[in-house]
Amino acid sequence: QSALTQPASVSGSPGQSITISCTAAGSDAGFYHYFSWYRQFPGKAPKLIIYDSNRPSGVSNRFSGSKSGYTASLTISGLQADDEGLYYCSSYTTFSTAFGGGTKLTVL
Amino acid sequence: QVQLVESGGGLVQPGRSLRLSCAASGFDFSSYGMNWVRQAPGKGLEWVATIWNDGSQEYYGDSVKGRFTIARDNSKNTLYLEVSSLRVEDTAVYYCAKISSPRLGYVDKWGQGTLVSVS
Repeated sequence: QSALTQPASVSGSPGQSITISCTAAGSDAGFYHYFSWYRQFPGKAPKLIIYDSNRPSGVSNRFSGSKSGYTASLTISGLQADDEGLYYCSSYTTFSTAFGGGTKLTVL
Repeated sequence: QVQLVESGGGLVQPGRSLRLSCAASGFDFSSYGMNWVRQAPGKGLEWVATIWNDGSQEYYGDSVKGRFTIARDNSKNTLYLEVSSLRVEDTAVYYCAKISSPRLGYVDKWGQGTLVSVS
């Protein structure tokens, strides 16, 4: 069982906003201070879209990240058809890195 | 630009060993920590191991501890993963991944992966 829990799936209609949560649990929960988010298309490597609530250059400003307590969130606004895919959260401690189980985003 | 190219995957019998390599280019390899991350068919991402930029510290996930060894050769800009005592459940795409800082941090670049099939 992953130390970071994400919903298995979320969906939304074009133009809407959706939020994917990532909740830390277990003995390391209090040590996960910084979160990153990745998008993965089938057969491809993941790609960084958010780090520490910041966006890498080239990533649309429709993507935003936040954190409250033990939960990080990825919000995608103005949903588009090509936003469909798998999204993973991640965080790290001094001794380990963890990934969430992944969330499949469906654009209706 | 940053490039990470994995090699060394293939079909291997349970109990056997394999060495994966990752050739890095486009950045100062010796200044960044590196990860191996794997993904079993149809499953999510699983952190395997981390090595600091200077190779002085290594960390492993519980499922591979004692069987896998991460190493790096900064003179060759190459990351390695020695995988031994392989199990069927080690079947996965293994990704080489660059960390954002010398020791700890988020993954900011990924290779395309190399498939290890244990059967």
